[in-house]
Amino acid sequence: EMQLLESGGGLVQPGGSLRLSCAASGFTFSSYAMSWVRQAPGKGLEWVSTIIGSGGSTYYADSVKGRFTISRDNSKNTLYLQMNSLRAEDTAVYFCAKEVKWGCFDIWGQGTMVTVSS
Amino acid sequence: QSALTQPASVSGSPGQSITISCAGTSSDIGNYNLVSWYQQHPGKAPKLMIYEVSKRPSGVSNRFSGSKSGNTASLTISGLQAEDEADYYCCSYAGSSTLFGGGTKLTVL
Repeated sequence: EMQLLESGGGLVQPGGSLRLSCAASGFTFSSYAMSWVRQAPGKGLEWVSTIIGSGGSTYYADSVKGRFTISRDNSKNTLYLQMNSLRAEDTAVYFCAKEVKWGCFDIWGQGTMVTVSS
Repeated sequence: QSALTQPASVSGSPGQSITISCAGTSSDIGNYNLVSWYQQHPGKAPKLMIYEVSKRPSGVSNRFSGSKSGNTASLTISGLQAEDEADYYCCSYAGSSTLFGGGTKLTVL
């Protein structure tokens, strides 16, 4: 069974940093692009970032460009999101998702909550 | 990177059909056949319902169908059932980025 399990969320002060992880199982991790999608409380889904299977190319939403870094370790079947210079508006549930084609996410994790507050 | 435009809410009675629209531009929906739709129940992760405009993943009911005309995509749910009550999001490739719609709350009366 294909599964994704996020971890690393929590409470952080504005300007702080946090690293999210997403452990994958049940599929050939290195063959697929992976993405982070977030959802602020009571709001809709927002694409955050995508990394291709090899890790050689990365893509970011304008709202996080220059502050967030997506990466992956294919030997550990794990996806990461390093979040720096966090702002209150980054408060959200962060989902990792397996991408079969651009914008097509067939497997989602359960999400991890990030709260940015003083 | 502006969000796609969906109605905030739609409703229908059991057995009826409803359609949710998703308006984009010639830079996203109008330029790529990479539109997908997601169903999300409260407190749950989204679930893929339609991909590449009109394809259904294995296990998704054939009551769900998708289409596209110009810069607008649509999701139709026929034979509404109580368990269809959820939030629905459209999504489109937009050239090195991905856009979601604002979401539509479906209420089954």
